[in-house]
Order: sequence, then structure tokens, then C-alpha cells
Amino acid sequence: QSVLTQPPSASGTPGQRVTMSCSGSSSNIGSNTVNWYQQLPGTAPKLLMYSNNHRPSGVPDRFSGSQSGTSASLAISGLQSEDEAGYYCAAWDDSLDGLVFGGGTKLTVL
Amino acid sequence: QLQLHESGPGLVKPSETLSLTCTVSGGSISSSNYQWGWIRQPPGKGLEWIGTIYYSGTTYYNPSLKSRVTVFIDTSRSQFSLKLSSVTAADTAVYYCARRYRAFDIAAVEVAYFDLWGRGTLVTVSS
Repeated sequence: QSVLTQPPSASGTPGQRVTMSCSGSSSNIGSNTVNWYQQLPGTAPKLLMYSNNHRPSGVPDRFSGSQSGTSASLAISGLQSEDEAGYYCAAWDDSLDGLVFGGGTKLTVL
Repeated sequence: QLQLHESGPGLVKPSETLSLTCTVSGGSISSSNYQWGWIRQPPGKGLEWIGTIYYSGTTYYNPSLKSRVTVFIDTSRSQFSLKLSSVTAADTAVYYCARRYRAFDIAAVEVAYFDLWGRGTLVTVSS
């Protein structure tokens, strides 16, 4: 049972816009910023979004992030087949005094 | 370009201690803006943070693993290491080492994220 809650799966067709949610509490998302990681099959995670809505260099602007209250979202527009991957949110938790990850959402491009 | 590489036994017996080392190449391990961390992923499951360390030796551990975990750093060798004691089958996972950037923006809000990861190494706990 992860501290941050993500839907286990999501899907979309090429070109479509999909969103993924990450739900937390006042001690994590409600008081600290959220990062998102993309994990392509068989590879290590890669930083996709940091501080809620900042893209690292090299990440396409098709990816966007937002945070409101105790929830965060990741959106992908113009979905492409290479976006098929696992997506994990993460945030520091002040109550646990540690970093927590969501359980991950597996995105399937139909 | 900075790279991280995990090394260590791929098989550990139950009740024994898991030991892994991460070698940092192509850059400095001694930077005040970076922490060095361990994250694991059981087969088919999600990510779990284990702990992080500054070059100064200051450590932060996952509370659920704290009693069994030690992370230490050897700046002269550009390496940091993980020891996890009293392992069980539940500790079977791919173990990743990663670099964590940490700073504060102009509004004094913490900015922190894992920006570089090793390829990971599978450790199986079995007799």
C-alpha cells in the first residue's frame, strides 16, 4: 500500500491526450512538490517532471504537470507509442520524514 | 558525462546481509547540491526509496527500513554503498543507485529530485 495513490493503469490512442493522477495528503503533496518519473520497459526510471510542473531539458512539451491541494496530475498530449511506460509520482513526506513514491500507473498506447 | 554503476552479489541467503556499491564516474561525488541514494523495485512492483547520503556522510533513511539499513560513502573512491541486514525474500528486487539534486529556489521552496540513475542490479534472496 503506497502512501501516494495512483491508478494502476491508463490507456489512450495515438494523438490523444491522457492524464494520470497522484493522490496524497497534507504531509506530502499538500506541503511539498511532486516529481514524476517515467520507466520504459526493462529500463531504469527517468526524471520526467520536477517541482510539480517543470520539465528537465530534453523532455518534450507534450508532457505537463500540475498540483492542487493534496493531488497532482501528469498530462500527456499528442500521445505516441513510445510513451508506453510506467509513470511514478514522488514527494517528500513530512510526517514519515522520508521520500514516498506512488504505486505507479502503467500507460498503454492502443 | 556522469554515470552511476551498481555492483555486488546477485544472490543473497535469507538472514544474511545484502551489500551493494555504486561507483560514480565522469564527475564529482563531493558536491553540496547533491545527495546519493538507493531505490529498489521488487519484480513487477513499484519503486521504494531506501535512503540517501550527502558527501559529508549525513544520511536519511526510509523509516520502514531504518533498523536494517546502512548507507555510507567513500569520496576517495567516488563510491557509496548500501548494506541491508537480515534479508528475507521480500527484499528481492532490482536495486538502483541514483543522484539526487537538492536546492532551494528564490522563494525558499525545496527543489529535489533524482536526476541520474544507474541501470540497476537484481538481487535475489534465496537459499
